Amino acid sequence: EVQLVETGGGLVQPGNSLKLSCATSGFTFSTAWMNWIRQTPGKRLEWLAQIEDKSNNYFISYLESVKGRFTISRDDSKSSVYLQMNNLKEEDTAIYYCTLTLAYWGQGTLVTVSS
Amino acid sequence: DIVMTQSPFSLAVSEGEMVTINCKSSQSLLSSGNQKNYLAWYQQKPGQSPKLLIYYASTRQSGVPDRFIGSGSGTDFTLTISDVQAEDLADYYCLQHYSYPYTFGAGTKLELK
Repeated sequence: EVQLVETGGGLVQPGNSLKLSCATSGFTFSTAWMNWIRQTPGKRLEWLAQIEDKSNNYFISYLESVKGRFTISRDDSKSSVYLQMNNLKEEDTAIYYCTLTLAYWGQGTLVTVSS
Repeated sequence: DIVMTQSPFSLAVSEGEMVTINCKSSQSLLSSGNQKNYLAWYQQKPGQSPKLLIYYASTRQSGVPDRFIGSGSGTDFTLTISDVQAEDLADYYCLQHYSYPYTFGAGTKLELK
């Protein structure tokens, strides 16, 4: 059974950083393309980043508005994907989901950016 | 960026009715290479993460009831739910994954009349 478990969310002040983790199981992680997607309080869904597998040189794509602030990475030895978020803004407040090829989603982790 | 225009915003239905949700993309989602439309539909129930219903515009994900039907090609797509059940009351979203950045429709809330 595919499982994706996000952790690392919480309350953070504007300008600070947070690193989200997504631990996975139930599939061959090393060949999987992984994504981070967020859902705002208004329920809007926004794709943030994708990291491909080793055979595609871990190619990465970002939403332009988070490029330079957010960094997606993966550790195939731990079957995990990460999202480093720097210089957080109040508009980054959302539930953050990791997904396996857009088909399977974790339960999400809530990030609240507020002073 | 490809803009996904989803309609209606909300829909009130009775059990047993048929409903249609529309999604229009600002650019074609049809790949000339494999003739597939890179359009997916998701269902999200309260307190849950989105669940994939349909991919490549018309292919049902494993385990999805056959009352969920995806159709369309190019820029115009439809999700049809025939014989709506109480368990189908949820938010529905379309997603284009034809080009970066992937973009979602604004969502359709399916409510009980």
